[in-house]
Amino acid sequence: DGGITQSPKYLFRKEGQNVTLSCEQNLNHDAMYWYRQDPGQGLRLIYYSHIVNDFQKGDIAEGYSVSREKKESFPLTVTSAQKNPTAFYLCASKTVSGTEAFFGQGTRLTVV
Amino acid sequence: RKEVEQDPGPFNVPEGATVAFNCTYSNSASQSFFWYRQDCRKEPKLLMSVYSSGNEDGRFTAQLNRASQYISLLIRDSKLSDSATYLCVVNIMSGTSYGKLTFGQGTILTVHP
Repeated sequence: DGGITQSPKYLFRKEGQNVTLSCEQNLNHDAMYWYRQDPGQGLRLIYYSHIVNDFQKGDIAEGYSVSREKKESFPLTVTSAQKNPTAFYLCASKTVSGTEAFFGQGTRLTVV
Repeated sequence: RKEVEQDPGPFNVPEGATVAFNCTYSNSASQSFFWYRQDCRKEPKLLMSVYSSGNEDGRFTAQLNRASQYISLLIRDSKLSDSATYLCVVNIMSGTSYGKLTFGQGTILTVHP
């Protein structure tokens, strides 16, 4: 079945450590997105990519980095520069036509 | 000013009630519009797209007013299972064909017996 997969579902890290969140899709979508959601808040865009080897900063890119070496994969690294990394991270993908975006199940990151 | 704004609620309504959510967007380059539903601690899922002529899907009706940069969602005959957070989503064109999906902060709906 086609879909978008995020792993792991839950992640715990110590403060000061970098951590990489995985996002893989087999929907043949060109566009991929990373969002962050805090309790009681909407989704805020971190980074997005419309084509392999190219990506753009979203509204809250500071302290994060991404890569897009393959169409299927768009990993997000939360660096130690991110001041408040504990959040729910969601990855999404969609086609060029601007219709439905499909989301992964999310990764809950807790930094202690 | 946020690019997409919603009334966060919460809205608490009895079963069978009609409830309306509003959303405004600030960027006139916005090309396409959606309502997503998010259940507690889950990922968002598309509820319906919003078309200029307005569109209906069962108990749900979506409206778009481009002149006022306003989107609405009407839920009739509310069910307990409608309890969720409703997210207004705007696709803002950013110089490419794909655009940038921008979310409102969500409106919380609780339907009680």
